[in-house]
Amino acid sequence: DTEVTQTPKHLVMGMTNKKSLKCEQHMGHRAMYWYKQKAKKPPELMFVYSYEKLSINESVPSRFSPECPNSSLLNLHLHALQPEDSALYLCASSQGAQGLSYEQYFGPGTRLTVT
Amino acid sequence: AQKVTQAQTEISVVEKEDVTLDCVYETRDTTYYLFWYKQPPSGELVFLIRRNSFDEQNEISGRYSWNFQKSTSSFNFTITASQVVDSAVYFCALSEWIGTSGTYKYIFGTGTRLKVLA
Repeated sequence: DTEVTQTPKHLVMGMTNKKSLKCEQHMGHRAMYWYKQKAKKPPELMFVYSYEKLSINESVPSRFSPECPNSSLLNLHLHALQPEDSALYLCASSQGAQGLSYEQYFGPGTRLTVT
Repeated sequence: AQKVTQAQTEISVVEKEDVTLDCVYETRDTTYYLFWYKQPPSGELVFLIRRNSFDEQNEISGRYSWNFQKSTSSFNFTITASQVVDSAVYFCALSEWIGTSGTYKYIFGTGTRLKVLA
């Protein structure tokens, strides 16, 4: 099973709301990633978790708060977002984060609209 | 700095034509990995291939083939006899080691949108 699932598929939220995006994988991967993708652009890395510890935070604003409760789950908590945060949020996993060679498996994404 | 360039923003072909997507990279590392991903309209990126810097053999997988040339720092992707289902955005990526964090991350190219017309 090479599947990464993400919920919800679509999310519309106001600037004062708090919401969470969820990601799950059952491939036994030990690295998980959050990306943000704007239209007609490549994915931008936001966070990397390796063995459930945050190893990369690409200077993401604090209104985005990641959480990795266990090796299969990854959450992204959202609070006080801005309209420019509207984008496709992709989750990915890989066998590890220390290996240059590991391919990443991506979920279908959550399309977020901030009003 | 590491960089991946996909100069073709958008390509349109008619079904059954062959098409080549270009990828040029820059790196100072001697060991590195290159990847191709496909992003159909559904959104998820699908892994297609990985190539390491020590293996310059070309690879063929069905209608897909890849040509890796270190001399020109290129890793080009050819689809033979294209089909409408090949319509997608294709990204080339280079693995970059982040020593301070002990992890790696991808440097993505800007992507090439391929439209295959019936």
